[in-house]
Parts: sequence; structure tokens; C-alpha cells
Amino acid sequence: AQSVAQPEDQVNVAEGNPLTVKCTYSVSGNPYLFWYVQYPNRGLQFLLKYITGDNLVKGSYGFEAEFNKSQTSFHLKKPSALVSDSALYFCAVRDRGSQGNLIFGKGTKLSVKP
Amino acid sequence: NAGVTQTPKFRVLKTGQSMTLLCAQDMNHEYMYWYRQDPGMGLRLIHYSVGEGTTAKGEVPDGYNVSRLKKQNFLLGLESAAPSQTSVYFCASSRTGGGYTFGSGTRLTVV
Repeated sequence: AQSVAQPEDQVNVAEGNPLTVKCTYSVSGNPYLFWYVQYPNRGLQFLLKYITGDNLVKGSYGFEAEFNKSQTSFHLKKPSALVSDSALYFCAVRDRGSQGNLIFGKGTKLSVKP
Repeated sequence: NAGVTQTPKFRVLKTGQSMTLLCAQDMNHEYMYWYRQDPGMGLRLIHYSVGEGTTAKGEVPDGYNVSRLKKQNFLLGLESAAPSQTSVYFCASSRTGGGYTFGSGTRLTVV
């Protein structure tokens, strides 16, 4: 069965410092991987995705994520955090070989302090 | 450039009342989904549709029904609302194999 784990309920970072939001996954085949962001009282917005190719994927708002097949991870990163990055972040996965739905992690709340 | 539109945005129901949430997308997406979001639970799939006239159960379908009579619309119905259905409901749509586009959500309170 497919699954996604976001091991941290909350990540706290000082503005200007690098941030990492962790995600590990389990699928039977090769994965499609996604990151979404949710600001308060809003729907989820697409940040970036890994389909194939370069393991380092660049997305919106300066975010990037690194696909690591051996560690089955897809951690979200940003070199310099902004207070406006504070939001709820969701990792999602789908088995490339299936027409199944995206499976979402439980989300990680990112708090960036000035 | 509307994307996915959900109506209503807020609703308060009394226990036992019924209601329908409407989701409309203008991107010609084949797939549509209804999720509920509860604190600490992440997103849980209620029902989904892989095309006009088709629906399927997700992870938490009990107490809900859906219909997809037109490709652009996906309706979520609560026949007899219960306090446990207090939640934020999100609709999403996608192409085959693509990422999801989400609506802005409906905040439902059942008292």
C-alpha cells in the first residue's frame, strides 16, 4: 500500500535561515511526488513535483525538493526562510504505474519567526 | 481563470439536516475529488470520480453521497448531517496522472 510520512508536526525556523520539511514515502513502483502549501483559511496550492529526471526539483516561491530513491525521501528545502513562508505543508505521492489517487501526508506546520 | 470553485464557503447545519456542496471546474479535467480536512488528520478522501457519470468511494465515504452528472461539476451530499461531519471540505480536480488543483474550501459546522 502507498503511504506518506511527514515525521514532524511542526518546524520552527528563524527568518533568513535555511529550512527543511521532511517527507518519506512508500509505493510499490516508481513514484510521482508532490508538495503543496496551505495558507490559513485557503485551499492547497501546488509548489512542485517530481516526475522523472533531475533529483533536485525547483518550484514556486524559491522552494526546492530533493528526490532520494535509496532513502525513499522527498524533503522540501529553501535556502533562506521568510516569515511569509509560515504555512501548512503537505507531501503527496502516487505510484507512477497506477491510476490511483494522490496519497497525502498529515502535514507539517512551518513557523518562521522574525 | 477560475480553476476550481466551491459553493458555499461557509455553512451551519443542525443535526439531521441535509445539504449539497457544489464543486465546479473549468479546466476540462477528467478526475474530481472530495476531501475533508480535520486537525491532526491531514486530508482524507471521501469520494472521487474518474469521469462524467462515474463515482467511487474513498477512505471515509460513510454519511456522504456524490454525483457527477456533468464533467465540470461534482456534488457532495450529506443526507442527515451529524456533528462528526463538522469539518473543512475541499474539492480538487486533475488530469490523468497530473497534480491536483484545489478549491478554496467549505467550512461546515453541524450543531
